[in-house]
Amino acid sequence: DVKVTQSSRYLVKRTGEKVFLECVQDMDHENMFWYRQDPGLGLRLIYFSYDVKMKEKGDIPEGYSVSREKKERFSLILESASTNQTSMYLCASSPLILQGGSYNSPLHFGNGTRLTVT
Amino acid sequence: AQKVTQAQTEISVVEKEDVTLDCVYETRDTTYYLFWYKQPPSGELVFLIRRNSFDEQNEISGRYSWNFQKSTSSFNFTITASQVVDSAVYFCALSGLYNFNKFYFGSGTKLNVKP
Repeated sequence: DVKVTQSSRYLVKRTGEKVFLECVQDMDHENMFWYRQDPGLGLRLIYFSYDVKMKEKGDIPEGYSVSREKKERFSLILESASTNQTSMYLCASSPLILQGGSYNSPLHFGNGTRLTVT
Repeated sequence: AQKVTQAQTEISVVEKEDVTLDCVYETRDTTYYLFWYKQPPSGELVFLIRRNSFDEQNEISGRYSWNFQKSTSSFNFTITASQVVDSAVYFCALSGLYNFNKFYFGSGTKLNVKP
């Protein structure tokens, strides 16, 4: 089974702090994603990466950056945390494989990190 | 524009009742993929099903079934004889053939199954 591990389940940070959220997957997946989940808004894509050192902005990248130095690890960085970044953060991964004529593999998610910025 | 709408915010049923979760999508792609995920209280989203736009056959897996209708742009999910363990938030999602890394999620439907 694919295992996506997020380093913290709960995190409390102060406004202005630099925050690192870490995600590790153990199945050699090429694609990794960071989503933010808020009530009534579903999941919104912050950033994704399709290879080491490669990244692309998602729908809401403002205030965030990412790092992918190794294939198995994808970090989300809040350069200067603000209260409106209080949310549940979900990491996901997927393989880049052609299956049934499609690269649309399902995402495998971690348990999430609930971040509170005070 | 790509969009997924789950109009039901929260549904409560009593155990053994059948329940249908609605999902309506918008896309201009002719080839696309639809997914359902379950998020139990533990937080981890679990993949349930993937369907492509060329396959409109309904699918049944145990107590779960999915009804895909292109004519109404819907991909509804039915749980038969619901159980307390089915209590979770369920998300419908859409991705396109050429932007397969981009998933559009609905806002989710919270299902409460009471004993």
